[in-house]
Amino acid sequence: DTAVSQTPKYLVTQMGNDKSIKCEQNLGHDTMYWYKQDSKKFLKIMFSYNNKELIINETVPNRFSPKSPDKAHLNLHINSLELGDSAVYFCASSRFHYEQYFGPGTRLTVT
Amino acid sequence: KQEVTQIPAALSVPEGENLVLNCSFTDSAIYNLQWFRQDPGKGLTSLLLIQSSQREQTSGRLNASLDKSSGRSTLYIAASQPGDSATYLCAVRGDSGGSNYKLTFGKGTLLTVNP
Repeated sequence: DTAVSQTPKYLVTQMGNDKSIKCEQNLGHDTMYWYKQDSKKFLKIMFSYNNKELIINETVPNRFSPKSPDKAHLNLHINSLELGDSAVYFCASSRFHYEQYFGPGTRLTVT
Repeated sequence: KQEVTQIPAALSVPEGENLVLNCSFTDSAIYNLQWFRQDPGKGLTSLLLIQSSQREQTSGRLNASLDKSSGRSTLYIAASQPGDSATYLCAVRGDSGGSNYKLTFGKGTLLTVNP
């Protein structure tokens, strides 16, 4: 059973479109995260939710909006996609401060 | 602002060699430190988590140490194998509230173990 899953795995879209990435964890964790890994492979936190409450919101354009319908799900919606949004987006989860488990990533390509 | 540095950026060794990967961080007020490995095109796999009160953790051929006061951690890999080839990432979590609870990552060490 996959612990942290993301859909889709690959996403190719044109500039200006709106897209969503979904994440689900079956570990019973109370905290979930979105990370962005850029072309230089640098990994940076974007958002974190604890018990459906936003606790970390880094300097991210407001075109990015996370939504947590319940503790097991954290989705990322991106409006008006730009070329610079091309990256790999990783979802992760943890039991609050403890060990984080990552999903397989979603490779987003904006053309 | 926490900064994490990993040295070396890349390392190539022959199979069987013991090796050490280094990680340093600028703010010693950390809650824990986590080592990950990332295979090309894949997600991150957690290797070891060291709480701030611990000095080391071991898992199989891996041993991670933490010197919080000097802002350093090392990952020791014994008897390296070609399957160990991957990028190794170090990440620290801050110990104060809000966004300080986030993980800050280093840029990784790309390890190649040659048969």
